Amino acid sequence: GQNIDQPTEMTATEGAIVQINCTYQTSGFNGLFWYQQHAGEAPTFLSYNVLDGLEEKGRFSSFLSRSKGYSYLLLKELQMKDSASYLCAVRDSNYQLIWGAGTKLIIKP
Amino acid sequence: IAGITQAPTSQILAAGRRMTLRCTQDMRHNAMYWYRQDLGLGLRLIHYSNTAGTTGKGEVPDGYSVSRANTDDFPLTLASAVPSQTSVYFCASSDSAEGMGKLFFGSGTQLSVL
Repeated sequence: GQNIDQPTEMTATEGAIVQINCTYQTSGFNGLFWYQQHAGEAPTFLSYNVLDGLEEKGRFSSFLSRSKGYSYLLLKELQMKDSASYLCAVRDSNYQLIWGAGTKLIIKP
Repeated sequence: IAGITQAPTSQILAAGRRMTLRCTQDMRHNAMYWYRQDLGLGLRLIHYSNTAGTTGKGEVPDGYSVSRANTDDFPLTLASAVPSQTSVYFCASSDSAEGMGKLFFGSGTQLSVL
């Protein structure tokens, strides 16, 4: 079966750095996505990786290793507004998105 | 309107009743999707439409139906609601089925079936 694993919850301190991991086992691979979802709101797109390596976008970076079935989202200079759930999703060989359950990130002052 | 609009925002429904969740987008996106989100689970695809006039079944289609009469509208109907359909429902769109990945989501409908 297809599976996306990510930690249920993480806690970090304002101003610090946090890394949210995602491992996947899917039928084929056509890209990995990270979305941010604030409580009670809709998910919003953060990043897309299809080739191995690091994609940087401001305070957020996303890394992919296809051979290891592994990705991480790195958040730097954490702000209170970064408190949210972070969803990892993989597009399989049928171009369907398989979603992880999300990682709830709690930022403490 | 800018983006995707869902209605209603929330609804309490008696079991056995029929309910239609509305979804409208103004981005002229070809592909549209309905997901449900339940605590502890990832988003699960109910139905999708790659272009106006076509629809397909997702991971959890039973008990739901959709139609896509035009590009902008993609309503989701529960013919006879059951308590297990209590969930948050998100409508989403993307510019194409092949480009699917960068989805734009509506604000969601919180549905409670009693």
